[in-house]
Amino acid sequence: DAKTTQPTSMDCAEGRAANLPCNHSTISGNEYVYWYRQIHSQGPQYIIHGLKNNETNEMASLIITEDRKSSTLILPHATLRDTAVYYCIVRGGYLVQGAQKLVFGQGTRLTINP
Amino acid sequence: DAEITQSPRHKITETGRQVTLACHQTWNHNNMFWYRQDLGHGLRLIHYSYGVQDTNKGEVSDGYSVSRSNTEDLPLTLESAASSQTSVYFCASSESGLYNEQFFGPGTRLTVL
Repeated sequence: DAKTTQPTSMDCAEGRAANLPCNHSTISGNEYVYWYRQIHSQGPQYIIHGLKNNETNEMASLIITEDRKSSTLILPHATLRDTAVYYCIVRGGYLVQGAQKLVFGQGTRLTINP
Repeated sequence: DAEITQSPRHKITETGRQVTLACHQTWNHNNMFWYRQDLGHGLRLIHYSYGVQDTNKGEVSDGYSVSRSNTEDLPLTLESAASSQTSVYFCASSESGLYNEQFFGPGTRLTVL
């Protein structure tokens, strides 16, 4: 399974773009990059995923480098409610019948400051 | 709206007792998962199921069991609770398919004294 490396913590000012990096240098060609976040005491929440093209949804944008060895999650206009632990996950462990196994690392603790 | 719920949200029990944590989803998802979260370990997979009558062990399955009698529910049973099983437990579900996102419940905080 590809392993990910993320900074332990980051700070960002409210209203600014939050850019969260993730390294996944051992990612294989058919593995996707997923981002989840966990707000204190809540269950993890799916944000976005991608294979090699940049992706955007209502929550965030995902920029994956051309060699796919790293990616950046962008929250374009961070709010206080975006304070959470953000997990970058490369889909690990191919399970029978295709259900994905999520392997969570320690993530990045993002603090949005007023 | 469809959702995934867990009950109880908080539970205190004693060593050696059997405990069952409930998980119920209304998305009609085939896949369901149980994770535990401890400080310093992130979330770890306990058991998972791809459909009715199907169950599989995850990376930390010792001392836990699950059964899947319908699509909506995947109860997690601790056969004989141990202090090492004090944790926060999260249930999740997803559609079938390789790259579908998982939706997580609110969690159950279990304390074993």
